[in-house]
Amino acid sequence: EAGVTQSPTHLIKTRGQQATLRCSPISGHTSVYWYQQALGLGLQFLLWYDEGEERNRGNFPPRFSGRQFPNYSSELNVNALELEDSALYLCASSLEDRAPKNTEAFFGQGTRLTVV
Amino acid sequence: AQSVTQLDSQVPVFEEAPVELRCNYSSSVSVYLFWYVQYPNQGLQLLLKYLSGSTLVKGINGFEAEFNKSQTSFHLRKPSVHISDTAEYFCAVSRYSSNTGKLIFGQGTTLQVKP
Repeated sequence: EAGVTQSPTHLIKTRGQQATLRCSPISGHTSVYWYQQALGLGLQFLLWYDEGEERNRGNFPPRFSGRQFPNYSSELNVNALELEDSALYLCASSLEDRAPKNTEAFFGQGTRLTVV
Repeated sequence: AQSVTQLDSQVPVFEEAPVELRCNYSSSVSVYLFWYVQYPNQGLQLLLKYLSGSTLVKGINGFEAEFNKSQTSFHLRKPSVHISDTAEYFCAVSRYSSNTGKLIFGQGTTLQVKP
C-alpha cells in the first residue's frame, strides 16, 4: 500500500514568488494536514483539510493557503515568499475523525522549500 | 492550550546502553500522546501512542513509554540502543476531543548513538 506522497521533494524559489506543494494521502484517508518544520522553530501545524474543506489552521498568515480536491489530494500554496519560509513542509493523512476515533496520522517525506 | 517540552535537545549514548528521552506536556484537557521518529531527510514515523488504558505503552523497534498523569510526563525508553536508532525524536500531543492528526510537537531530541 502506497504511503503519503509529496511532490516535489525539493523546490527553490525566489523571494516574492509563489510556491505550490502537493500531497497525495493514503488511499481511504480523507483528512490531510500540513506542517512546517523550520530550522529552530520545530514542527508547527499549518492547515487541516477534510472532505474538501479547511477545518482548522495554525498561526500562519493568509498567504499560506491550500485546498483539497475531490480525490482527497491537497495543495499548499505559499504566496509572496519570504526568506523565512524556507523549511521542510510535511503532509500527513488520517481517517476522518468520527467514531471509532481516528488514532494515527501518517506522514510523507516532505518537500524542502528553499527561498533565495 | 497544549504545549510539549522535550527536556533534552541532544542525548549522546553508547551503543547497547539504555536511553531515556524525556517529555513533559501541559494541557487543561485530556490529551492523546505520541512519539515520532525522524531519520535524516525523511518524514515522521510513529513509534508509539497512548490513547487510554495501560500507562506502559510498547512501540516499534523496542521502544516503550510510560504515561504519568500526575507528573504530566510521557518519557520514551529503550533498554539497549543500536547505531540505527540515531535520529530525531519528537513527542506530540493532540486534544482528546480533536482529530489526532492535529498535533502539538515538542522541539525534538537528537539521539546520537556512538559505537
